[in-house]
Amino acid sequence: NAGVTQTPKFQVLKTGQSMTLQCAQDMNHEYMSWYRQDPGMGLRLIHYSVGAGITDQGEVPNGYNVSRSTTEDFPLRLLSAAPSQTSVYFCASYSAGAQEAYNEQFFGPGTRLTVL
Amino acid sequence: GDSVTQMEGPVTLSEEAFLTINCTYTATGYPSLFWYVQYPGEGLQLLLKATKADDKGSNKGFEATYRKETTSFHLEKGSVQVSDSAVYFCALRITGFQKLVFGTGTRLLVSP
Repeated sequence: NAGVTQTPKFQVLKTGQSMTLQCAQDMNHEYMSWYRQDPGMGLRLIHYSVGAGITDQGEVPNGYNVSRSTTEDFPLRLLSAAPSQTSVYFCASYSAGAQEAYNEQFFGPGTRLTVL
Repeated sequence: GDSVTQMEGPVTLSEEAFLTINCTYTATGYPSLFWYVQYPGEGLQLLLKATKADDKGSNKGFEATYRKETTSFHLEKGSVQVSDSAVYFCALRITGFQKLVFGTGTRLLVSP
């Protein structure tokens, strides 16, 4: 199992450019999430999905779009990058088992994005 | 709203010293509590968890006890190693909600 994979690892964009951060998991997990990590602020939820075709907004969704066409993939799109989106982005997945609240979230290695 | 407060770092210790990282929480529901660890250049890994009051989570020599009366989940280790140098995040999740609420993280630096 590769677990949760993310590409690219590093990216530099200019203001106004668009791009897609890729996330894939091979554990057949129903739930997937995107977080951003900023200094002094911990991790904040951007968007999440409870299954293919179902997505919802998290704490800081503005400027980001997501879709979930398959169980495995959950890409994050920046439509028009802004310097405020400079951050480290983490994708995570977990299984909706009988004790959903207790299930471990598995995190990818992260994408470090800089917007100039 | 739900929130997690951690002690600010960095915490600097010598090898074999005792470690405590404080974590307190505020939750509208009944949360599960987690400690995650992030090694340099890597994603977060679950270190330990506790699902109800008085539960003790433990892993790799680390322990934390779910204290409902003090709304705390402090992380402890009796003897730290250089390899424990990392950032530690306390987090909670309310049953039925997808969001993990994280603290700001505490960086631990262990010197030989």
